[in-house]
Parts: sequence; structure tokens; C-alpha cells
Amino acid sequence: DTEVTQTPKHLVMGMTNKKSLKCEQHMGHRAMYWYKQKAKKPPELMFVYSYEKLSINESVPSRFSPECPNSSLLNLHLHALQPEDSALYLCASSLTRPAYEQYFGPGTRLTVT
Amino acid sequence: GDSVTQMEGPVTLSEEAFLTINCTYTATGYPSLFWYVQYPGEGLQLLLKATKADDKGSNKGFEATYRKETTSFHLEKGSVQVSDSAVYFCALSFRMDSSYKLIFGSGTRLLVRP
Repeated sequence: DTEVTQTPKHLVMGMTNKKSLKCEQHMGHRAMYWYKQKAKKPPELMFVYSYEKLSINESVPSRFSPECPNSSLLNLHLHALQPEDSALYLCASSLTRPAYEQYFGPGTRLTVT
Repeated sequence: GDSVTQMEGPVTLSEEAFLTINCTYTATGYPSLFWYVQYPGEGLQLLLKATKADDKGSNKGFEATYRKETTSFHLEKGSVQVSDSAVYFCALSFRMDSSYKLIFGSGTRLLVRP
């Protein structure tokens, strides 16, 4: 099973709302990632978790708060977002070596109104 | 720093034409190299990879060879199909602290016409 699942598929939220994105994998991967992808652009790395610890934060605004409750789950908590945060949010996982590919989920399409 | 450069798109081809999408990289050390494909409305799928010089990755008729001397990883397919229409991303993986990062090229949109 090489599947990464993400919920919800679509999310519309107001600027004062609090919501969460969820990601799950059962491949035994110990590295998990959040990316943001704007239209016609490549994915931009936001966060990396390695063995359930945050190892990379690419200077992401604090209105995005990641959480890794266990080795299979990754959450992204959203609060007080701006319209420019509207994007496709992708989760990925991998083994913890550079030669190993990252497996991506289908993404959550987020619209901030 | 490390970077990936891809040819600008869109690339428009007729079905059964030969495809080449150029990718060059700049890196310290010896990164692993990947091609990912993104179909409309979907996430990224790994297409192929190569982990050392002269390795050839291949999948679904696509091929790419890791060329250290020219720092390139060009994607090729001998006969494209309409179903190959998608955005293709070249990427390299490198170590940052205790984790590994993917750096993507800008992406190349391929449109295959019947």
C-alpha cells in the first residue's frame, strides 16, 4: 500500500475560522511533509517531521500550526488565514533517506473567503 | 544553493510524437533525482528516479538518465499518448540538518493532441 490519504478534499473557510487538515499513511514512513502549491507553480515546502519531531519549518506564518500525533498521522491546524493562503495543500511521506522518494497525497483544495 | 531548471512550457505534441523535457540541476554533492507528474486536480505521482550517476530511471515508457558530467536528467518518451497530458516536475533531494528536502523545478505542462 503506497497511499497517502488527505481529508477533507475541499475546504472553504472564513478569515476568522479555525480548521484542520489531516493526513495519514500506513507505509511505515517516519518522515512526513506539508507543502503548499499555488496554481501553475511547483509545491513549496512548509514543514518536515522526522520521527514525529518537527525538523524543518520554512519560516511559515504562525497561523499555520503543524502537529504529528503519531508516526502515521499529520495535521495542519489553520487559524486566522488570509485570502492569499488559498492553495492546494499537499501532504507527503517518505523513508528517512534522500534516495527514497516522497509519496504525495491528493491534496486539500483550500479557499479562504 | 541547490536548484533545478526545467524547460518552459507548455509543450504541445501530437499523439505518438517523441517527447523530451529538459532538466538541469545545480547541487553540491550527489543528490538523488526524480521526475514527478501531476494530472489536473490531483497530487504528485512519482514517475521515475535515479540515485547515482549513469543510473537510468524508467516507468510507463518514460526514461531519464542521471548525467553527472552535464548535470542533467532529461525526461524522454518515444511515443506520447493523450493520457500523458499533465504537468511534469523535475526534482532533486538533498539533506538539510537531520531531514531531506525536495527541490522542484518550475514544472513543464505537456499537452498531447489526438
